[in-house]
Amino acid sequence: QVQLVESGGGVVQPGRSLRLSCAASGFTFSSYAMHWVRQAPGKGLEWVAVISSDGSDKNHADSVKGRFTISRDHSKNMLYLQINSLRPEDTAVYFCARDQYDYGGNNAFDIWGQGTMVTVSS
Amino acid sequence: SYELTQPPSVSVSPGQTASVTCSGDKLGGKFACWYQQKPGQSPVLVIYQDNVRPSGIPERFSGSNSGNTATLTISGTQAVDEADYYCQAWDSINVIFGGGTKLTVL
Repeated sequence: QVQLVESGGGVVQPGRSLRLSCAASGFTFSSYAMHWVRQAPGKGLEWVAVISSDGSDKNHADSVKGRFTISRDHSKNMLYLQINSLRPEDTAVYFCARDQYDYGGNNAFDIWGQGTMVTVSS
Repeated sequence: SYELTQPPSVSVSPGQTASVTCSGDKLGGKFACWYQQKPGQSPVLVIYQDNVRPSGIPERFSGSNSGNTATLTISGTQAVDEADYYCQAWDSINVIFGGGTKLTVL
């Protein structure tokens, strides 16, 4: 079945780095744009980043630009989010989500993972 | 920057119609979609391209989008529909989410 499984979260000190992973299965990973979305405890959804199906186009939310980097590995069917210089306000559940099609189509997110929790605390 | 505004909460009686609004500048000129999120769960897409239901979403869910407002309508609301609902649209190359609306069925 179509599935996204995130991993890599945990408790991290401010200023440190973390790489989140998202394993995709059950669909042709290389055909879809992919996104990261985060949700702080008790708060709403915040879009973080998008990467096109072939990895050539990326965009990051202004709030994370310069610290977060989205990437993908088609040989492993994996999506990644590299997070540097972590701040307490980055504490959130991080979801990976599949775009309905490819980047640039103003599409919705039709498949979501279960999320991985990142806690930034000293 | 572009913003989508939703009411924090909406209440509805079982069997009645619930309407959740999402407001943004010229939102009618964009595609709006809606997600349902229950406590401790991941979001689920319930409406895309303003008014299209994904496979498996009950017919009681419908959507519209015109002017500055998109609306999610749930007809014959059931207790199982109690959840947070988020609207979403694209502004150029960025994705924007509304702040979310807690739907209470009482």
